[in-house]
Amino acid sequence: QSVLTQPPSVSGAPGQRVTISCTGSSSNIGAGYNVHWYQQLPGTGPKLLIYGNNNRPSGVPDRFSGSKSGTSASLAITGLQGEDEADYYCQSYDGRLGGWVFGGGTKLTVL
Amino acid sequence: QLQLQESGPGLVKPSESLSLTCAVSGGSISSNDYYWGWVRQPPGKGLEWIATIYYRGATYYNPSLKSRIAISVDTSKSQFSLKLNSVTAADTAVYFCARHGVDIVTQGFDSWGQGTLVTVSS
Repeated sequence: QSVLTQPPSVSGAPGQRVTISCTGSSSNIGAGYNVHWYQQLPGTGPKLLIYGNNNRPSGVPDRFSGSKSGTSASLAITGLQGEDEADYYCQSYDGRLGGWVFGGGTKLTVL
Repeated sequence: QLQLQESGPGLVKPSESLSLTCAVSGGSISSNDYYWGWVRQPPGKGLEWIATIYYRGATYYNPSLKSRIAISVDTSKSQFSLKLNSVTAADTAVYFCARHGVDIVTQGFDSWGQGTLVTVSS
């Protein structure tokens, strides 16, 4: 059972927009700790996709965006492409646990 | 460009200890701005943070694993290591080493190794 809750799967057709939610609590996202998002392509390590709730590292397309409100966060992907098919994870820090926490991951399927 | 490379045994017997090392190149392990951590991923499952260390020796452990783990750093060799004791089949996973920012509020894990699969089996 992950501390941060994500939907197991989402899907969308090429060109469409999808969102992935990440629900936490008052000890992590709600406590003011930022949310970061990672993309994991099959057989590879995670790649930082969004940091600090809504910032993109250099090289990440602006089709990817993040937001945070209260105890939840969301990752939005617009203009879906086949190469976006991957697992996506949210991550934050939990002050009660005293450590870094991840969501259970969401598998994105591009139809 | 920063590179992290994990190394480990691949196969460990139940009840034994697992030792992994992460070699850091293309950047300084002694940076004031970063922590160095271990994250694992059981087959077909999600990511789990295990432990983190600062180059000066401060350590942070996942409470659920704390009794069985130890993380250490060797700045002279630019590497850090993880030891997991009394392993069971539940410890079978791909183990990643990663760098993350010391600002726990705003920074994530910005650089990852490729991961190494560790199987616990007799």
